[in-house]
Amino acid sequence: DQQVKQNSPSLSVQEGRISILNCDYTNSMFDYFLWYKKYPAEGPTFLISISSIKDKNEDGRFTVFLNKSAKHLSLHIVPSQPGDSAVYFCAASTNFGNEKLTFGTGTRLTIIP
Amino acid sequence: KAGVTQTPRYLIKTRGQQVTLSCSPISGHRSVSWYQQTPGQGLQFLFEYFSETQRNKGNFPGRFSGRQFSNSRSEMNVSTLELGDSALYLCASSPAGQGPEQYFGPGTRLTVT
Repeated sequence: DQQVKQNSPSLSVQEGRISILNCDYTNSMFDYFLWYKKYPAEGPTFLISISSIKDKNEDGRFTVFLNKSAKHLSLHIVPSQPGDSAVYFCAASTNFGNEKLTFGTGTRLTIIP
Repeated sequence: KAGVTQTPRYLIKTRGQQVTLSCSPISGHRSVSWYQQTPGQGLQFLFEYFSETQRNKGNFPGRFSGRQFSNSRSEMNVSTLELGDSALYLCASSPAGQGPEQYFGPGTRLTVT
């Protein structure tokens, strides 16, 4: 049972445009969400997170939106840069102090120069 | 501050053998989690250790075990290896109690033949 789903295995975006990565979840107990970025031969790197009490969190070029009623979150990258080409994982936790993360299967983002 | 280190980086074992993987967390981090990454499955949570005690456990068979030492370093062991255990094994550490953000090592690529 995949509780966190990333339905797009891949996404290609022109450099300078907006990249939008989507994630859906089924477990209503999840209340903290994170995005990680992974390059080949490296471990995932934490990007940005959002608590369920918020609907938006920004950090530079990265913004995460949370729609609790739809159990959906998205990561926006503006503007997209070639260095953003990587696999992006959405993850969820059932509470702030819980180190157990449930991950999606990832979306491979390719930025076209 | 040095990041999470994992040894070895690559390992080839034969079906039926056992293997031990090692993880050194970021200095000061007391929580260590292990994940298995296979193609198409994302990252699957194995277990989490805090203060030498297993605090969380995923849905893996008993062949997968781990431990944590007093210096927070952790090891995971897989006994009676199966072909399906071929995967990237990732270790992540966190300060614990400061949010579910975790910091990942580069992983150990295990191939079972």
